[in-house]
Amino acid sequence: GAGVSQSPSNKVTEKGKDVELRCDPISGHTALYWYRQSLGQGLEFLIYFQGNSAPDKSGLPSDRFSAERTGGSVSTLTIQRTQQEDSAVYLCASSDRVGNSPLHFGNGTRLTVT
Amino acid sequence: RKEVEQDPGPFNVPEGATVAFNCTYSNSASQSFFWYRQDCRKEPKLLMSVYSSGNEDGRFTAQLNRASQYISLLIRDSKLSDSATYLCVVNSGGSNYKLTFGKGTLLTVNP
Repeated sequence: GAGVSQSPSNKVTEKGKDVELRCDPISGHTALYWYRQSLGQGLEFLIYFQGNSAPDKSGLPSDRFSAERTGGSVSTLTIQRTQQEDSAVYLCASSDRVGNSPLHFGNGTRLTVT
Repeated sequence: RKEVEQDPGPFNVPEGATVAFNCTYSNSASQSFFWYRQDCRKEPKLLMSVYSSGNEDGRFTAQLNRASQYISLLIRDSKLSDSATYLCVVNSGGSNYKLTFGKGTLLTVNP
C-alpha cells in the first residue's frame, strides 16, 4: 500500500523566505511526527500529533516554526523567515497508536537555505 | 541524563563478527522500544521492536533490561550489508507516544 508521502523532495530557498513542507501519512494512522536531521547528526524531534489531542510542540526550535494537521490527515510544517541553520532534512513519520506501534517514515524534504 | 543515549561508535568489524550495541534511556515509565536502521542519506527504517521478554529475528537479537534502563541489539555473523547507522528509539513514557531517537551508532562491516 501507499507509504508516507512528503513534498517537495528538495527545496532551495533564500534566507528570510517562508517555506511550507507537506506530509501525507499512511491512511488510518492517527499519529504523525515531524523530525529534522542535519548533516551527520541524529534525528531531532519537532512536533507530534495524536488524533484529536493537542499536539506536542515541545521540540519546535523557535516561534518561526509551526505545524498543523488538517482533518487528522495531511500535515504542513511551516518555517517563517528561514535562516541558514534551518537547512536540514525534514522527515515526517506516521504510526498507528494502538499497541507497540513503530514509525513509518517518508523520504524527507531536503531544505537548503542560501 | 539524556532521554536516549547511544555509543556513537564507529564500530568497525570484519564480516562474520558478532557486534552488540547498547542504548540507555532516562524515563523509567517508557514502554515502547525499537531499533531502527538508517543507511546513508536515507530515511530510517524499522529493524525490530524490542519486547520485554527479548526477541530474535534471524541474526538479530534485541533485549530490554528495565531495571538498568537499557536496551541492546546483538548482530551475529555480520554481513557487509549490515553497514549502517543503528538508532535506538524510546517513547516518553506511559501513554505518551512521543518517540525519541538516540543519535545512532555507526557500524561498518569490512570484507
